[in-house]
Amino acid sequence: EADIYQTPRYLVIGTGKKITLECSQTMGHDKMYWYQQDPGMELHLIHYSYGVNSTEKGDLSSESTVSRIRTEHFPLTLESARPSHTSQYLCASSESQGTSRKYEQYFGPGTRLTVT
Amino acid sequence: SQKIEQNSEALNIQEGKTATLTCNYTNYSPAYLQWYRQDPGRGPVFLLLIRENEKEKRKERLKVTFDTTLKQSLFHITASQPADSATYLCALPPRGGGYNKLIFGAGTRLAVHP
Repeated sequence: EADIYQTPRYLVIGTGKKITLECSQTMGHDKMYWYQQDPGMELHLIHYSYGVNSTEKGDLSSESTVSRIRTEHFPLTLESARPSHTSQYLCASSESQGTSRKYEQYFGPGTRLTVT
Repeated sequence: SQKIEQNSEALNIQEGKTATLTCNYTNYSPAYLQWYRQDPGRGPVFLLLIRENEKEKRKERLKVTFDTTLKQSLFHITASQPADSATYLCALPPRGGGYNKLIFGAGTRLAVHP
């Protein structure tokens, strides 16, 4: 089982609140990712990081922001939550270049966010 | 743009039979293709990776084929069990690659009945 953790697992919060979704991995992976997934739909990449202090937005536009100050930690922040942010947020990581398993992604259990 | 198509209808099969799931893609030739399993409310779990120069890959009861001419991958589970019931996702690197990113299909739900 992958050593990647997300907290909280479930969050119900009111409109306008600031939230931070936590993601940590203990595998020493350089690359980390945030995906958004609605029920029955594809995962959409919203942020990725290829190392400390290096982050970029993904293919799906998102109002969230991320930071990567430490290799193992990749939190996602929403400054002002809205009902349209209601979704499942999945964090993942992958090994560095030069390893045989560099293309595999290891996922956390996800955070189910509901904004009322 | 790149597109991944997986059968949106659930696949229902009897225990012990072989399940076959299909992944079709368009508009480019990926260097590899991956299959993941996702259980309800959980993150996907990596199953298999097949490279463009490999026609077939096996892992225990799983078999994946990759036909770069048809732009299609088939995912087989032999001797299926109720515990195999889940959604199976196909994933490809985006055109141009980039930091090991992946594009995912919406998945096909498999239900194995006793």
